[in-house]
Amino acid sequence: DAKTTQPPSMDCAEGRAANLPCNHSTISGNEYVYWYRQIHSQGPQYIIHGLKNNETNEMASLIITEDRKSSTLILPHATLRDTAVYYCIVRVAWDDKIIFGKGTRLHILP
Amino acid sequence: EADIYQTPRYLVIGTGKKITLECSQTMGHDKMYWYQQDPGMELHLIHYSYGVNSTEKGDLSSESTVSRIRTEHFPLTLESARPSHTSQYLCASSDEGDRDNEQFFGPGTRLTVL
Repeated sequence: DAKTTQPPSMDCAEGRAANLPCNHSTISGNEYVYWYRQIHSQGPQYIIHGLKNNETNEMASLIITEDRKSSTLILPHATLRDTAVYYCIVRVAWDDKIIFGKGTRLHILP
Repeated sequence: EADIYQTPRYLVIGTGKKITLECSQTMGHDKMYWYQQDPGMELHLIHYSYGVNSTEKGDLSSESTVSRIRTEHFPLTLESARPSHTSQYLCASSDEGDRDNEQFFGPGTRLTVL
């Protein structure tokens, strides 16, 4: 079973920030939070990951709570091309097995 | 863009046929993976490899087999296809030395067995 809990779906207006929550209350000290997304009929795409500090890259920002029991992926200016299933994954960095879970289906509305 | 390729992208085949799904990557990655995903469902790891001559079974039991004779190729074979094998098969690779352990995915092969 996946170690994370995500809402099954969310809507966001185009141009607004999309905030995708993830609960991982059983995360252990050496586990990272990874985010991937899967656009329809394509392979998953890595977005970002972090351990305890907030992270930002060209695609998104990752906000991890101080107790590390939850996190939020932020897409700052959502576009229609961001419509996808977003997976929040908890794993140790050296663990090659990714358990994807059901993810959140994000709909960007024009 | 990740340089990982899968062929064919779509395959419709009759029951009992032997099929091989191809996966190749030009990034020199040691680790490669096969995932299976039914429509609208989760991805499940079915096979992985740490390098040439290394193959391991994943978390989901599969009747398919894999081989890793060359670093860049990781083909998946079904000796006798059945309708229950209808699914999307996704190949991925990662670099042993990558601190982030990011997996790069191919576009997938959508298999339909009639």
